[in-house]
Amino acid sequence: TQLLEQSPQFLSIQEGENLTVYCNSSSVFSSLQWYRQEPGEGPVLLVTVVTGGEVKKLKRLTFQFGDARKDSSLHITAAQPGDTGLYLCASKGISGGSNYKLTFGKGTLLTVNP
Amino acid sequence: DAGITQSPRHKVTETGTPVTLRCHQTENHRYMYWYRQDPGHGLRLIHYSYGVKDTDKGEVSDGYSVSRSKTEDFLLTLESATSSQTSVYFCAISGLYGYTFGSGTRLTVV
Repeated sequence: TQLLEQSPQFLSIQEGENLTVYCNSSSVFSSLQWYRQEPGEGPVLLVTVVTGGEVKKLKRLTFQFGDARKDSSLHITAAQPGDTGLYLCASKGISGGSNYKLTFGKGTLLTVNP
Repeated sequence: DAGITQSPRHKVTETGTPVTLRCHQTENHRYMYWYRQDPGHGLRLIHYSYGVKDTDKGEVSDGYSVSRSKTEDFLLTLESATSSQTSVYFCAISGLYGYTFGSGTRLTVV
């Protein structure tokens, strides 16, 4: 059973378009992190959200944490080819285990075509 | 950024041979992790360490062992490699705001 569900699994868009990807769970998140992974490299942390309803912006990226802390979204405005990568959400303690272990969703593979 | 390096970056080995992957950090972080990443499965935790000689199992620990004799080094050993262990392996350290990952080791078992 996947504890963190990400959608869509794949997304291919043209440069300049907007997009939103989602991360959902049936459990309440203690906190949620978003990572981006480029081919041949490890994931890189983008943001951590902690409070229900929280919105964080990182240049053209906007991250929202649901009021009930069971879902999160990542919105990219005017996507660029450099945004191409695998976007992963992750949470600690979601499986009821240690608060020091991150559980990851399977990710959304984004391709931005020039 | 925290310094974390993995070695080797690529390895091809034969079924039944032992393999050790190394993770080295320069930031004195207490927590270190080994994940494997496979298509359709995402990142899955193999083992983690919460201090020197303190380790615990993750969700996919069968066939793997780990050791941490120094704060900076966390070793992952495949005692007898199998084709199902062909994967990309990532080491990570836990910082104040999130994890920092190494660049990965691509392991192929033939």
